[in-house]
Amino acid sequence: AQKITQTQPGMFVQEKEAVTLDCTYDTSDQSYGLFWYKQPSSGEMIFLIYQGSYDEQNATEGRYSLNFQKARKSANLVISASQLGDSAMYFCAMSRVGGYNKLIFGAGTRLAVHP
Amino acid sequence: NAGVMQNPRHLVRRRGQEARLRCSPMKGHSHVYWYRQLPEEGLKFMVYLQKENIIDESGMPKERFSAEFPKEGPSILRIQQVVRGDSAAYFCASSPRAREDEQYFGPGTRLTVT
Repeated sequence: AQKITQTQPGMFVQEKEAVTLDCTYDTSDQSYGLFWYKQPSSGEMIFLIYQGSYDEQNATEGRYSLNFQKARKSANLVISASQLGDSAMYFCAMSRVGGYNKLIFGAGTRLAVHP
Repeated sequence: NAGVMQNPRHLVRRRGQEARLRCSPMKGHSHVYWYRQLPEEGLKFMVYLQKENIIDESGMPKERFSAEFPKEGPSILRIQQVVRGDSAAYFCASSPRAREDEQYFGPGTRLTVT
């Protein structure tokens, strides 16, 4: 069975600094996908970044990058140059490649960006 | 292209009533997923549907919950005889095909059972 673990219930960071949100996963699948979503206080789920298990390079999307370490089964999200609008819940999720897109989510990390 | 739409955004029901949650996927999307988010928790998969077919309902409670995605119209998640423990945010997501890297979420329906 697949499992996602986010061990940081809450984090805070100073504006303009970088922050890393941890995510480890467990799966017996050879091929899988890893996602990060942002959930602001308004409640919607905003897709941030995707990493396929066979992608050789770490995914990047603007200020977001995914530090993918396959051997350690970790997929940490790095946010550079934090902004006040980054304050939100962040969820890590995974799915099976080749199958349908049933996502397994972690419990989330609440990030607070301080001015 | 409009995004995934869900209505209502907020729904209040008394214990024992029925709740109907609607999801209109993005245009051209025939794959719909429903997730539930209990307070202070991550999202949990409930059911995956393609047009007119339930493909995976492994996350659905065995009783009181049902889902459909008819040929015409939105996908419906139906909860009969609601209880306080059903209070949660219910999210719908859609994708154009069964690919692992594309899934678009709606804004969610917040159900409160009083």
